[in-house]
Amino acid sequence: GAGVSQSPSNKVTEKGKDVELRCDPISGHTALYWYRQSLGQGLEFLIYFQGNSAPDKSGLPSDRFSAERTGGSVSTLTIQRTQQEDSAVYLCASSRDLTGGPNYGYTFGSGTRLTVV
Amino acid sequence: DQQVKQNSPSLSVQEGRISILNCDYTNSMFDYFLWYKKYPAEGPTFLISISSIKDKNEDGRFTVFLNKSAKHLSLHIVPSQPGDSAVYFCAAREGAQKLVFGQGTRLTINP
Repeated sequence: GAGVSQSPSNKVTEKGKDVELRCDPISGHTALYWYRQSLGQGLEFLIYFQGNSAPDKSGLPSDRFSAERTGGSVSTLTIQRTQQEDSAVYLCASSRDLTGGPNYGYTFGSGTRLTVV
Repeated sequence: DQQVKQNSPSLSVQEGRISILNCDYTNSMFDYFLWYKKYPAEGPTFLISISSIKDKNEDGRFTVFLNKSAKHLSLHIVPSQPGDSAVYFCAAREGAQKLVFGQGTRLTINP
C-alpha cells in the first residue's frame, strides 16, 4: 500500500480482556516496528522485526505483550489481560531495512488509540 | 534510562519568529539524529536528520545543529508559521539499531 495502515484506529476495552492491534506495512519494507505513546510521554519502543531474523522484543513491558509478523508483512500486536496502564496510542512503522539510507526511512501509521476502562 | 531527552514539554513562539527546539542525549555511540513532527491523530513524519560527522544540516526553513561535545542538538525553524504547530520528537540511532525517541516538545505558533 501507499502508507502504513493500522487498525482499528480506536479501541475501548474492559480491563482484563485481550486485544489485537494490526499493522499493514508499506509493501517491500523489510523492517517493522511497534512503539507506543502514553499520555504525556514520548515514543516508547516495544518490538521490531527485520526480515527473517528473530525479533527484538527488548521493549515489551511485560509477558502480557506479544507480537508476530506473518509472511514478512502484516503484524499483530496482542495484549492479554489488559490493564489501565496499557492505555496509549500504539504506533507501527516500517522501513526498507535497518541499514538503508541516511534518513533511515521510518514511515509511521496513524496509530491505534487504546483505552482500557 | 532516558537516552534521548527533550526537557521542554512545550514551547510557544510568535509567527514569523525563530523556534528553537532542544534535545540532549547520553549515548556517545549514536551516529545519526533525526527530528520528527507529529500532528494530532496522525503518525510522526520525518522532518530532517543529521549525521554525527556533521554539525549542521539545513533544509529550507529548518536547520538542525549538532554539538557532539555537549551531546546536544537543536532544531531551528525560521520563520515560524502557524502550520508548524505540532509535537516535535528528537530521535537517535546507533548503527543499524532502532530509533530511540525523546519525550517530544509541543510547539505552538501564535499569530
